[in-house]
Amino acid sequence: EAQVTQNPRYLITVTGKKLTVTCSQNMNHEYMSWYRQDPGLGLRQIYYSMNVEVTDKGDVPEGYKVSRKEKRNFPLILESPSPNQTSLYFCASRLGLRNEQFFGPGTRLTVL
Amino acid sequence: ILNVEQSPQSLHVQEGDSTNFTCSFPSSNFYALHWYRWETAKSPEALFVMTLNGDEKKKGRISATLNTKEGYSYLYIKGSQPEDSATYLCAPASGNTPLVFGKGTRLSVIA
Repeated sequence: EAQVTQNPRYLITVTGKKLTVTCSQNMNHEYMSWYRQDPGLGLRQIYYSMNVEVTDKGDVPEGYKVSRKEKRNFPLILESPSPNQTSLYFCASRLGLRNEQFFGPGTRLTVL
Repeated sequence: ILNVEQSPQSLHVQEGDSTNFTCSFPSSNFYALHWYRWETAKSPEALFVMTLNGDEKKKGRISATLNTKEGYSYLYIKGSQPEDSATYLCAPASGNTPLVFGKGTRLSVIA
């Protein structure tokens, strides 16, 4: 089944404790993105990648890192999480500009 | 940063009503316009990807039109049903930039 998977789905952590949210897609898509969703602010892009080893900042990259060592995986790293990173995170992938984007199930992160 | 405007922000309609919403986007360097449907507690799912000026797409009771010259798209829902309640997002694709989503139109259909 074609899909985007994210893990974990739910995470409660404390300020400063490094964490990684994994994202994987099995559709051989070139483009992958991370978004965060906050009430009243819609989906905001954190980072995106157009191919292996090619990543770029989105609208809200501060406090986040990503890597794209393989085509299928695009992990999101929070080196030192803070409470303002409490949010719902979505990973997404698509083949190209004119192709639909597929979203993962979301990761709800709470930073205490 | 692309400026994507969606209106209205929210909409409450009675079951059976037809409704429409608007997505406005910059018309320069246009590649495609995406529409997504986002139900509560789920992930966004693609409805349409439109590429040509004058494009019209239809999926069941939902249809969309595209005007790339003036930079807008309309989404129509005919005979709204409670299961149509969701947030509808649009996102233009421009150049080699990522998809930038509007804040969406939140539709509530009252039975």
